[in-house]
Amino acid sequence: DGGITQSPKYLFRKEGQNVTLSCEQNLNHDAMYWYRQDPGQGLRLIYYSQIVNDFQKGDIAEGYSVSREKKESFPLTVTSAQKNPTAFYLCASSIQTGANIQYFGAGTRLSVL
Amino acid sequence: AQSVAQPEDQVNVAEGNPLTVKCTYSVSGNPYLFWYVQYPNRGLQFLLKYITGDNLVKGSYGFEAEFNKSQTSFHLKKPSALVSDSALYFCAVRDPRGGNTPLVFGKGTRLSVIA
Repeated sequence: DGGITQSPKYLFRKEGQNVTLSCEQNLNHDAMYWYRQDPGQGLRLIYYSQIVNDFQKGDIAEGYSVSREKKESFPLTVTSAQKNPTAFYLCASSIQTGANIQYFGAGTRLSVL
Repeated sequence: AQSVAQPEDQVNVAEGNPLTVKCTYSVSGNPYLFWYVQYPNRGLQFLLKYITGDNLVKGSYGFEAEFNKSQTSFHLKKPSALVSDSALYFCAVRDPRGGNTPLVFGKGTRLSVIA
């Protein structure tokens, strides 16, 4: 899982609560990504950021928010508007240009209480 | 739009036998193609990629993949499977004309190697 750290490993959310998943990288990568993984559905892109202070919505951004105030950090907030948040969340990063490899963190498993 | 399909949810193979995990893609131009592996409750690990050049790409842990433009395929292969190869495998694609867009992943194929 290289230089990408996701925390916590497990997270529980109560109804109506916002929770934030942390993603930190020490690879000096410009681009960072958040994916959601559900059984049988592969990885679906939530948000991505190609540079500090800029980010774009992915395929399933509704109910999620992100920020990119520092190059090393790309936290994901799962808001109360996300009605089905139970999933495995993966953060990744890559260099900005070329046929770059995306490197992944170990993931955060979010469950609803 | 770019997409990738993994037609098999599950592949079972006996230890020592060759294995193939299939992947087909849809990209307008020449694609960048990737294979990743995921072990239980872990992130994805990069195995190999095809950018250009030789159609046969060799990667980590003895895996290789063959790019076939006419069949728009990029199947993952290994000559002799190990029990430790049992995992979830993902194929991914990027259209290089789309700039630094994120990878698009297939739904994954679960490989089970039986001793």
